[in-house]
Amino acid sequence: GAGVSQSPSNKVTEKGKDVELRCDPISGHTALYWYRQSLGQGLEFLIYFQGNSAPDKSGLPSDRFSAERTGGSVSTLTIQRTQQEDSAVYLCASGPPGQNEKLFFGSGTQLSVL
Amino acid sequence: GQQLNQSPQSMFIQEGEDVSMNCTSSSIFNTWLWYKQDPGEGPVLLIALYKAGELTSNGRLTAQFGITRKDSFLNISASIPSDVGIYFCAAPDRAGNNRKLIWGLGTSLAVNP
Repeated sequence: GAGVSQSPSNKVTEKGKDVELRCDPISGHTALYWYRQSLGQGLEFLIYFQGNSAPDKSGLPSDRFSAERTGGSVSTLTIQRTQQEDSAVYLCASGPPGQNEKLFFGSGTQLSVL
Repeated sequence: GQQLNQSPQSMFIQEGEDVSMNCTSSSIFNTWLWYKQDPGEGPVLLIALYKAGELTSNGRLTAQFGITRKDSFLNISASIPSDVGIYFCAAPDRAGNNRKLIWGLGTSLAVNP
């Protein structure tokens, strides 16, 4: 597709369940980022991929959070044993080679943990 | 540490008015960026600034890279209802080899038609 695609757009889950969020970046973009945004708040960095490797995982809040990227393309963010405080919008962004500042964002996944 | 402080936090203006917002830091940056987030969407890059003193326009938007390299300003002229959203400033994290961006907390803009 022409833009960054995220799925699902909305996810409601019960506390304790695992969830998987998917991101399809723009073709050819080597950099991929996951951010979290709570209601009315700024962007909280979670993890950065360059190709398939993740040189910076410093923003992952706990070991319940993990992410992978395969084929230098699709990325999945997994949250295990979800908690209510995990409720937020999870945004994915990709960036063209050599221009990490020019990020293209998806519309996000709204996660609600009941 | 590196932080970006945006002000004002929110603005409520009448259609047709001009808007000014700014972003400051105690750290020096070589690049300043302004993004806009529409409700229910991800942020979109509006303007990128790469040189101290640079003034760049994108339609009714004008942004400036402060001469001290510690601040940036965004102006919107003759606001219209579709200007509603959250405006974020951002800059590459030099401590992280510029691989990721540091973000301000945003300025929320509401426009009364």
